[in-house]
Amino acid sequence: EAGVAQSPRYKIIEKRQSVAFWCNPISGHATLYWYQQILGQGPKLLIQFQNNGVVDDSQLPKDRFSAERLKGVDSTLKIQPAKLEDSAVYLCASSLVLAGPSYEQYFGPGTRLTVT
Amino acid sequence: AQSVTQLGSHVSVSEGALVLLRCNYSSSVPPYLFWYVQYPNQGLQLLLKYTSAATLVKGINGFEAEFKKSETSFHLTKPSAHMSDAAEYFCAVSEGINGNNRLAFGKGNQVVVIP
Repeated sequence: EAGVAQSPRYKIIEKRQSVAFWCNPISGHATLYWYQQILGQGPKLLIQFQNNGVVDDSQLPKDRFSAERLKGVDSTLKIQPAKLEDSAVYLCASSLVLAGPSYEQYFGPGTRLTVT
Repeated sequence: AQSVTQLGSHVSVSEGALVLLRCNYSSSVPPYLFWYVQYPNQGLQLLLKYTSAATLVKGINGFEAEFKKSETSFHLTKPSAHMSDAAEYFCAVSEGINGNNRLAFGKGNQVVVIP
C-alpha cells in the first residue's frame, strides 16, 4: 500500500513570496490533515478535511494560509505572503475514517520550508 | 482544551537499558492517547494507541504504554534500548468530540542511545 505522498520535500523562499505544497493521501482515505511542525515543537493541526469539506480550520492563519482539497483526493496548502515564522515542516496525514477510537492518522514525509 | 506535557526534550539511554518517556495529558473527556515516533527526515509513525480498552497497550518495536487515569499519564517504556530506537517520540491526545479527531501533540523527546 502506497503511503502519503508530499512534494516538494524541501523549499527555500524569501519572505513575502508565495509557496504551495501538495499532498496525495492514501487511496480511499476520506480524511486529510495538514500540520505545521516548528523546530523543537510537536506538530500543530492547521486544517482537517473530510472528503472535500473542511471539518476544522480553527488554527489556520487565514490571512495568509489557504488550503483546498478538490474532488476529495489531493490537497494543496498555500502560503501567501510568507513570513519568517512560517519556517517549519509541513506534514500531511490521512485517515480512513473521520471519527471513532480506532482511526489512525498516517503521515507523509513532510515538506521542509525555509523562509529567508 | 486537550493538551499533553512531555518533560525533558532530550533523553539519553544506554544500549540495553530501560527506555522511559513520560507523558501527562489534560482532557475534559475520556481521551484517546497515542505515541508516535519520527525518524530523521521522515513522517510520524504510530507506535501505539489507547482507545479505552486495555490500560496496558503494546505497540511495535517492543514498546508499551500504560494508561493511568488517576495520574493522567500515559508513559512509554521499552525494557531494553536498541541503537535503532534513536529518534524523536511524540505523545498525542485526541478527545474525538463531535467527530473531530484533532491530535494535540507534546513537544517531543529526542532519544539518544549510547553504545
